[in-house]
Amino acid sequence: QSALTQPASVSGSPGQSITISCTGTSSDVGGYYYVSWYQQHPGKAPKLMIYEVIKRPSGVSDRFSGSKSGNTASLTISGLQAEDEADYYCSSYTSSNTYVLFGGGTKLTVL
Amino acid sequence: QVQLQQSGPGLVEPSQTLSLTCAIFGDSVASNSGVWNWIRQSPSRGLEWLGRTYYRSKWYNDYAVSVKSRIVINPETSNNQFSLHLNFVTAEDTAVYYCSKGDFWSGFAYWGQGIQVTVSS
Repeated sequence: QSALTQPASVSGSPGQSITISCTGTSSDVGGYYYVSWYQQHPGKAPKLMIYEVIKRPSGVSDRFSGSKSGNTASLTISGLQAEDEADYYCSSYTSSNTYVLFGGGTKLTVL
Repeated sequence: QVQLQQSGPGLVEPSQTLSLTCAIFGDSVASNSGVWNWIRQSPSRGLEWLGRTYYRSKWYNDYAVSVKSRIVINPETSNNQFSLHLNFVTAEDTAVYYCSKGDFWSGFAYWGQGIQVTVSS
């Protein structure tokens, strides 16, 4: 099964807001409220930033927010900071026997 | 705070078995709420969930279809850890392997440090 679709890259200046999209199908993103987002810095393990579309784990900045419309989920980062520069991955539960799908990743550059 | 510490070889020969271990600190592999996963990441395949083990009055395992015929994940209660065994590896199995606590619904909240495993002779 194909991975979820994310833009390869996005960029923004410090203080600005950016949004990363994650497009799937009605069998995954569109069918369930089980979308997660991960931040990954080079050489590090992914870090859970958002789960169940809109929820933030304890300790994650409220500058990070999630949403979903139809088959597309989105991660918005407001008040961009240099430390936000990283790769971001979405994932979704899927009704297929794959159980979970990941996006291909989006590289965020803070200009 | 849950911490996961991975160990295992970084080089495996083709057709051999890849074996990794994930030691758990701050939780129990046999807890009735934990789910223990193996996930890998490679440039060609991206992030790929491989399988999980969990205890709910008895032990359960689920595996990704892509590796189902070659994979075994075992809980090791005496050492509070769990292991991954992937048989008949090829170059396609070259990746960074992570262990993780979490589930498909509320995400993978805790991760090991990752181990780069290269399949080569």
